[in-house]
Amino acid sequence: QQQVKQSPQSLIVQKGGISIINCAYENTAFDYFPWYQQFPGKGPALLIAIRPDVSEKKEGRFTISFNKSAKQFSLHIMDSQPGDSATYFCAAVYRDNYGQNFVFGPGTRLSVLP
Amino acid sequence: DAGVTQSPTHLIKTRGQQVTLRCSPKSGHDTVSWYQQALGQGPQFIFQYYEEEERQRGNFPDRFSGHQFPNYSSELNVNALLLGDSALYLCASSRPLAGQETQYFGPGTRLLVL
Repeated sequence: QQQVKQSPQSLIVQKGGISIINCAYENTAFDYFPWYQQFPGKGPALLIAIRPDVSEKKEGRFTISFNKSAKQFSLHIMDSQPGDSATYFCAAVYRDNYGQNFVFGPGTRLSVLP
Repeated sequence: DAGVTQSPTHLIKTRGQQVTLRCSPKSGHDTVSWYQQALGQGPQFIFQYYEEEERQRGNFPDRFSGHQFPNYSSELNVNALLLGDSALYLCASSRPLAGQETQYFGPGTRLLVL
């Protein structure tokens, strides 16, 4: 129930195309869903995040779509650029009396071809 | 404003040795979490510290221990190192009780166990 599934494992997109990464979860206690971008040799950096009370959030070329009933959420990267080539992790967060708990997906390696 | 910093950046140890990794959280953050990221995998939660106490723990053996200091900085200690402990160790900070639940990651410490 604490697992977050992520697909695809890897993705190759042409420059200017749309990259779509999907995640799914089981635990309805999750109440915060961030996406992180990680370049080789670096720590993950927060990209965009959403709460389950909204169905979509857009920041620049990055959009999160959230389907609460299906317990799924996805990241859309519009007009993908070679500089977007990185590994993307979705995460789901729940809180309990002891603090917050982040559960990460296994990651998607995105390659944007010039 | 300095973000999350970690030291050292790289470390090579041999099996059976002990290692200490250090983390300074982002200014204003009081909660520190540690993650292990194996090559090609998502971050796996080790534990979380708040008010100098371990508040949450993932599925890691007692060989992994930590500490948080009054200035909120933290250490991760791993005893009796195994080859499988080779990974990128990430520190993340947040301030969840102030509504700042997003975790910000440091660059990580890459540990190689020979």
